[in-house]
Amino acid sequence: QVQLVQSGAEVKKPGSSMKLSCKTSDYTLIRHYSHWVRQAPGQGFEWLGVINPTYGTTTYASKFQGRVTMTTDTSTATAYMELTSLTSDDTAVYYCATAQRDDLLTGSPGRWGQGTLVIVSS
Amino acid sequence: QPVLTQPPSVSATPGQKVTLSCSGGSSNVEHNFVSWYQRLPGTAPRLLIYDNDKRSPGIPDRFSGFKSGWTATLGITGLQAGDEADYYCATWDSRLAAWVFGGGTKLTVL
Repeated sequence: QVQLVQSGAEVKKPGSSMKLSCKTSDYTLIRHYSHWVRQAPGQGFEWLGVINPTYGTTTYASKFQGRVTMTTDTSTATAYMELTSLTSDDTAVYYCATAQRDDLLTGSPGRWGQGTLVIVSS
Repeated sequence: QPVLTQPPSVSATPGQKVTLSCSGGSSNVEHNFVSWYQRLPGTAPRLLIYDNDKRSPGIPDRFSGFKSGWTATLGITGLQAGDEADYYCATWDSRLAAWVFGGGTKLTVL
């Protein structure tokens, strides 16, 4: 079965940046919209944004505007999510997920990666 | 606080039918498609239902989705021990311009 494999856990200092990766074994899958979602300890899911890899266009949640950058490298079937100016509130498990449809409003996260734990601590 | 409201927990016995609710408003549930996810312990979420009532490939017909007004519902019939998991709803919110999730319902199979 096609999988999304995410990069390993990270520990970051407050104020630093992180760049997570999400690689798929299916080179056609990476051409679909890719969402990034996180879940902080004891909290619900929070959507960070989505990228359309065909045009490289992105839609970010307003909360993360200016701090988040999503990119896709179709040659390596890898999606990336960079988040800057980290604080302890960014401690969470971060998930990538391909959309079940290539549409911003109706393409919900479909197939999910295993998640990457990021701990922000001094 | 999650934008979508789900009951924190539901319990039922094997073989029973359960319904899990997801309440929102006019900017999300009422006018946009709702998806449902199952999260088994220690695993990533799995898409069960999309477009309110369409089953994702490989999902048994014991799982069903329904929406009316501001509330969406996930139904599970013939409850099995393996259905014990957290269930989340999600939809697009037109006012927030973001995908939003419910806080999740923990289903316990007694």
